[in-house]
Amino acid sequence: NAGVMQNPRHLVRRRGQEARLRCSPMKGHSHVYWYRQLPEEGLKFMVYLQKENIIDESGMPKERFSAEFPKEGPSILRIQQVVRGDSAAYFCASSPNPAGASREQYFGPGTRLTVT
Amino acid sequence: QQQVKQSPQSLIVQKGGISIINCAYENTAFDYFPWYQQFPGKGPALLIAIRPDVSEKKEGRFTISFNKSAKQFSLHIMDSQPGDSATYFCAATNAGNMLTFGGGTRLMVKP
Repeated sequence: NAGVMQNPRHLVRRRGQEARLRCSPMKGHSHVYWYRQLPEEGLKFMVYLQKENIIDESGMPKERFSAEFPKEGPSILRIQQVVRGDSAAYFCASSPNPAGASREQYFGPGTRLTVT
Repeated sequence: QQQVKQSPQSLIVQKGGISIINCAYENTAFDYFPWYQQFPGKGPALLIAIRPDVSEKKEGRFTISFNKSAKQFSLHIMDSQPGDSATYFCAATNAGNMLTFGGGTRLMVKP
């Protein structure tokens, strides 16, 4: 059973470009969370999605950031017009049933975004 | 309040010793408390988790102690090994919601 997959693992963008980060959840998981980790800091929640629905985006910056989880294909975190402050590790986690007895969230290896 | 406070920020332990990391939370709606282990350049890996209806959970060398009235929980690593050197994060959540993480503890186990 493959784990959570994220690609690319490393991404370099110049200021003003767009960054697209992809996440494929574990097989059988339909709940996806995105977290951001700044250097030497903890993880901060960004957005929670189910297939075709955004459930909670309270941690997402209001501008430039968007996320989707289409019926087919991976979840995408999109950052438009990147700035140096967007440089961070972005992690995706998936869960089978967060409201049920088993609340585990399993993390992918992350995408390390560097904005030059 | 969604905050989870973790201490210490860093910890040095001799091989064979006990590593203890503490966390405190404020939101009484939290009902699931996992610990994650993260190695440099890797994603967080779920280590062990506890629910507030039990006061202790043990898996191998890792034990979570939970004090519901004090709103505190801790991770104990018995017989710490150099391979345990990593950053450890406590977290908390309730049904269907995101994880709220502590700030992390960088553990170094000296041989």
